[in-house]
Amino acid sequence: TQLLEQSPQFLSIQEGENLTVYCNSSSVFSSLQWYRQEPGEGPVLLVTVVTGGEVKKLKRLTFQFGDARKDSSLHITAAQPGDTGLYLCAGLYGNQFYFGTGTSLTVIP
Amino acid sequence: KAGVTQTPRYLIKTRGQQVTLSCSPISGHRSVSWYQQTPGQGLQFLFEYFSETQRNKGNFPGRFSGRQFSNSRSEMNVSTLELGDSALYLCASSPQTATYEQYFGPGTRLTVT
Repeated sequence: TQLLEQSPQFLSIQEGENLTVYCNSSSVFSSLQWYRQEPGEGPVLLVTVVTGGEVKKLKRLTFQFGDARKDSSLHITAAQPGDTGLYLCAGLYGNQFYFGTGTSLTVIP
Repeated sequence: KAGVTQTPRYLIKTRGQQVTLSCSPISGHRSVSWYQQTPGQGLQFLFEYFSETQRNKGNFPGRFSGRQFSNSRSEMNVSTLELGDSALYLCASSPQTATYEQYFGPGTRLTVT
């Protein structure tokens, strides 16, 4: 069962463009995390958001947790080739994290 | 601190065989979780161990089992391998429980033929 749906599934953009990745569910989560995974590696934690409506910024990345704690978004400003990777959201439901379907981002130089 | 290490990195097995994967968490971390990652299903939780006790279990058949040792190192075993078990198996360690920050290893790529 996929509790979290991410969109888009694939995204290919030019360097310098902006993009937003969405993570949606009908379930309420205690917290939500975003990870980035590169080929041949495990996911690396980018951020944890806990409070509904919370916004966190990490350099060119902006993360937002929905007011109802059912959804989240990741916005990247002026994307760079180094941003290429698989972006995963993970929601804490009960005492277990459920991962989203993933968004594969390619930034073309 | 050294990161999470997993061995082996790659493994090829035949249907019906069994396999054991190993994970060494970050020093001081007491929680180890295992995940299966496939293109079709994404990342799915297998189980979590904390202080040698299974704390939480995902929705996988009993062929998947694990254990944790007193030094927090963990092993995962899959018996009677099926073609559908081909996946990247990821281990993640956490200082307290898996509901906090998790640090993933590079994974073990298992191919079942």
